[in-house]
Amino acid sequence: GAVVSQHPSRVICKSGTSVKIECRSLDFQATTMFWYRQFPKQSLMLMATSNEGSKATYEQGVEKDKFLINHASLTLSTLTVTSAHPEDSSFYICSAPTGAREPDTEAFFGQGTRLTVV
Amino acid sequence: AQTVTQSQPEMSVQEAETVTLSCTYDTSESNYYLFWYKQPPSRQMILVIRQEAYKQQNATENRFSVNFQKAAKSFSLKISDSQLGDTAMYFCAFIRETSGSRLTFGEGTQLTVNP
Repeated sequence: GAVVSQHPSRVICKSGTSVKIECRSLDFQATTMFWYRQFPKQSLMLMATSNEGSKATYEQGVEKDKFLINHASLTLSTLTVTSAHPEDSSFYICSAPTGAREPDTEAFFGQGTRLTVV
Repeated sequence: AQTVTQSQPEMSVQEAETVTLSCTYDTSESNYYLFWYKQPPSRQMILVIRQEAYKQQNATENRFSVNFQKAAKSFSLKISDSQLGDTAMYFCAFIRETSGSRLTFGEGTQLTVNP
């Protein structure tokens, strides 16, 4: 199946610093990628839709200035958590639709990134 | 807006037995897609099974099958011959036909398979 790679898998940063998380589609091109956030023992909440060549679309309540998304190419989207604070600690997961089905409803997920802000 | 509800936070089953996980959803859309995803302790999301709303036939994938009741907006997952490796969090999810892969997830059910 299609592979989506997310890096890093774990990161610890100091409060006030910024952290970049990468999401790559390894064997297909993705014009759209999705970023989710998951708190412990909770569900995945969609944060934003990353669009190649244009601005990301953020869900209501998500601070676009704190969670910067850049879809630099057809295989790479990055999420930068700026001025991170302990409340930003969470598990972040990306997904990318493969375009293999019509309508495009099949997506593969990255391994996730556990962010801990100390 | 679409909502997905999983009313069973935790379930357990003995190895080799059958277990059913419940999911209900609410939408005004006429066509949509429903999914069950598995998230084992590794946290990697894995697609278990997929159902198109316009198909009346229930989807099956080996030991996994669904009971899709469109009128009742119910989409339960049956796992037969449960295995220890089935221990995971299971999420029911919904996609509108026009929204691409933008998933709405339920709260999840933690399934534990006991030896």
